[in-house]
Amino acid sequence: GQNIDQPTEMTATEGAIVQINCTYQTSGFNGLFWYQQHAGEAPTFLSYNVLDGLEEKGRFSSFLSRSKGYSYLLLKELQMKDSASYLCAVSDSNYQLIWGAGTKLIIKP
Amino acid sequence: DVKVTQSSRYLVKRTGEKVFLECVQDMDHENMFWYRQDPGLGLRLIYFSYDVKMKEKGDIPEGYSVSREKKERFSLILESASTNQTSMYLCASSQGTSGRGSGELFFGEGSRLTVL
Repeated sequence: GQNIDQPTEMTATEGAIVQINCTYQTSGFNGLFWYQQHAGEAPTFLSYNVLDGLEEKGRFSSFLSRSKGYSYLLLKELQMKDSASYLCAVSDSNYQLIWGAGTKLIIKP
Repeated sequence: DVKVTQSSRYLVKRTGEKVFLECVQDMDHENMFWYRQDPGLGLRLIYFSYDVKMKEKGDIPEGYSVSREKKERFSLILESASTNQTSMYLCASSQGTSGRGSGELFFGEGSRLTVL
């Protein structure tokens, strides 16, 4: 079966760095997405990786290793507003999106 | 600013009632989707549409139907609501013609449905 795994919850300190991991097993691969979802709000797009390596976008970076079925989202200089759920999703060989359950990130002062 | 608007943020319905959830996007996107989001589970696709009057079943279509009469509007219908359909319903749209898993999704803010 197809599966996406990510930690249920993580806690980090304001100003620090946190890495949210996502591992996947899917039938084929057409890219990996990260979305951010604040409580009670719509998910919003953060990043898309289809080739191996690191993509940097301001304080957020996303890494992909297709051979390992692994991605991470790196958040630097954490701010209180980064408290949210982070959703990992993989597009499989049929362009079907397979979603992880999300990681709830709690930022403490 | 791009926008996906869902008609109701919160609804409370009784078992057996018919429920309409409406979604409108202003980005001229071809693809539109309905998901449900439940605690501890990933987003689950109910139905999607890649063109007007076209619809395709997602992973959990049972108990639901959809309508897409105009490009900008995609409606989700629960013919006879049941308690296990209590959930957050998210509408999304995307550009492109490759189908449901390509391209960035733009989500509405969700409709939280409670069925008593």
